[in-house]
Amino acid sequence: AQSVTQLGSHVSVSEGALVLLRCNYSSSVPPYLFWYVQYPNQGLQLLLKYTSAATLVKGINGFEAEFKKSETSFHLTKPSAHMSDAAEYFCAVSDPGNTPLVFGKGTRLSVIA
Amino acid sequence: KAGVTQTPRYLIKTRGQQVTLSCSPISGHRSVSWYQQTPGQGLQFLFEYFSETQRNKGNFPGRFSGRQFSNSRSEMNVSTLELGDSALYLCASSPEVADTQYFGPGTRLTVL
Repeated sequence: AQSVTQLGSHVSVSEGALVLLRCNYSSSVPPYLFWYVQYPNQGLQLLLKYTSAATLVKGINGFEAEFKKSETSFHLTKPSAHMSDAAEYFCAVSDPGNTPLVFGKGTRLSVIA
Repeated sequence: KAGVTQTPRYLIKTRGQQVTLSCSPISGHRSVSWYQQTPGQGLQFLFEYFSETQRNKGNFPGRFSGRQFSNSRSEMNVSTLELGDSALYLCASSPEVADTQYFGPGTRLTVL
């Protein structure tokens, strides 16, 4: 069975600092991996996805993530945090060829001025 | 292209009632999935529909059901509501099965 672990339910960074949100997965087959962001009272917005092409994936709003099979990780980074990045971030995994997403518990990112 | 739309956005019901939520996918998308989001359980997959057929189902009781119409629009129904059904219900659409999913804004259901 697939599972996703997001380390840290809450991460706080200063504006302009590096953002690092951690995600580790467990899957019996090479998975597809996703990062979504959720702003208050809104749905989920896709940030980026890994589907077995390049291991370094660039997404929207300056975010990127690197798929590391040896570490079963897919951490999300952004070089310089902006106040508008404050939101809840979810890592998700799915089996290639199958639709259902399995989500992590989410990490709330706070950005301090 | 317009995104996924869900109606209503907010709903208040009482225990024992039933409720129907609606989802219109992105134009051209044929797969629709539903997820429940609660503070305690997080995001959980409910079911997926493609070509009016349920393809996958999550681990939810039979009180939760859904359907898809020929125009790909989908509805989900919850019968005999319980307090624990209070949640944000999210609909996601994708062009085909196993494609990237795009989410709607959700319907916030409160059961009193």
